[in-house]
Amino acid sequence: GENVEQHPSTLSVQEGDSAVIKCTYSDSASNYFPWYKQELGKGPQLIIDIRSNVGEKKDQRIAVTLNKTAKHFSLHITETQPEDSAVYFCAASMGSGGYQKVTFGTGTKLQVIP
Amino acid sequence: IAGITQAPTSQILAAGRRMTLRCTQDMRHNAMYWYRQDLGLGLRLIHYSNTAGTTGKGEVPDGYSVSRANTDDFPLTLASAVPSQTSVYFCASSGTGGQPQHFGDGTRLSIL
Repeated sequence: GENVEQHPSTLSVQEGDSAVIKCTYSDSASNYFPWYKQELGKGPQLIIDIRSNVGEKKDQRIAVTLNKTAKHFSLHITETQPEDSAVYFCAASMGSGGYQKVTFGTGTKLQVIP
Repeated sequence: IAGITQAPTSQILAAGRRMTLRCTQDMRHNAMYWYRQDLGLGLRLIHYSNTAGTTGKGEVPDGYSVSRANTDDFPLTLASAVPSQTSVYFCASSGTGGQPQHFGDGTRLSIL
């Protein structure tokens, strides 16, 4: 089955700096890659996603890149702010019908230091 | 506000007891999912449902059962709780066509 590895497990950055989280996946059939942000006591919330026919996607301070050949994708957060502090999960998904088989990474705890 | 509602938010349960976690969505999504989240292991799929009336097993189904009598509700039942089922449980749903999953805020369950 699919295996998703996520690094680093923890990341501390100064406010205003950039943060990068990297993930690799094993199954070339995966075609959809969402990123989730989870705040304490809350469920994961989708922040950005990318499909396999796109190499890069940007939404304000957040961007995601995908390299299908190397089977890795990354989350980039620029101009970090204290409210960006949370746990971030990458995921690899396959299936375009009703059920999506989603495999999650183990998470990155991001701390933005004011 | 549209979304997923889970209940209870937390529960302490004696081992051997039966427990049902409730999940309701108002987005008319066909697919629904139950995950458990454990430190260092991320989110692992317990059971899923493609549409009302159908269910399937995920990665860690043992000790859990689900039902999907209608589109909106997807309860998860622990028939006889064991301490290893102590975890945070998340319900999610998604529309068709490769749409992202939307999560509830979870149920924190402790089995003593």
